[in-house]
Amino acid sequence: EPEVTQTPSHQVTQMGQEVILRCVPISNHLYFYWYRQILGQKVEFLVSFYNNEISEKSEIFDDQFSVERPDGSNFTLKIRSTKLEDSAMYFCASRLGGTSTDTQYFGPGTRLTVL
Amino acid sequence: AQTVTQSQPEMSVQEAETVTLSCTYDTSESDYYLFWYKQPPSRQMILVIRQEAYKQQNATENRFSVNFQKAAKSFSLKISDSQLGDAAMYFCAYTRYDNNDMRFGAGTRLTVKP
Repeated sequence: EPEVTQTPSHQVTQMGQEVILRCVPISNHLYFYWYRQILGQKVEFLVSFYNNEISEKSEIFDDQFSVERPDGSNFTLKIRSTKLEDSAMYFCASRLGGTSTDTQYFGPGTRLTVL
Repeated sequence: AQTVTQSQPEMSVQEAETVTLSCTYDTSESDYYLFWYKQPPSRQMILVIRQEAYKQQNATENRFSVNFQKAAKSFSLKISDSQLGDAAMYFCAYTRYDNNDMRFGAGTRLTVKP
């Protein structure tokens, strides 16, 4: 069964460094999402992406964050200058589209640790 | 703003017994979707069941079923014949009809006792 994949599974970085988290959505899906989950807290929506542009973003998704679909398969989240509070699990999700009743499928997550 | 509330931080159930996890939500929309996701220790988010708000019939998926009360804005998950593999964090989630900004509850940690 097709699934969303994410790399790396764990990323450790120094505060102030840039990180890029990578996702490969399910191949025929058209809608892409990033969420984050700080340890022990709820999952929070960051951004949705469709037709090569951001369709919605949360207040968390400030100028430090950007997303890109650089080719036909990858969907990336870039954090320009990481802060300690960016330490979290980051989940990518994708959805087929065509009808809004279809489901968002989540990847296994990338654990980001900022030191 | 839409919010999702899970009032039970932790629940436990005996293997083979039935357990119900509670979820309430707040929205002014009439069309929306509700989900239960399971998060085992691996922390992957796995879809358990979903419900379209326009459907009156409660969704079922094998041992998992929901009790969807639209007027009360309540969406509980019933797990029948609980198995050890059901032990996980369970999140209730809501999206508007356009299925973008998914809102999650704080989660309920389910323990299954052998």
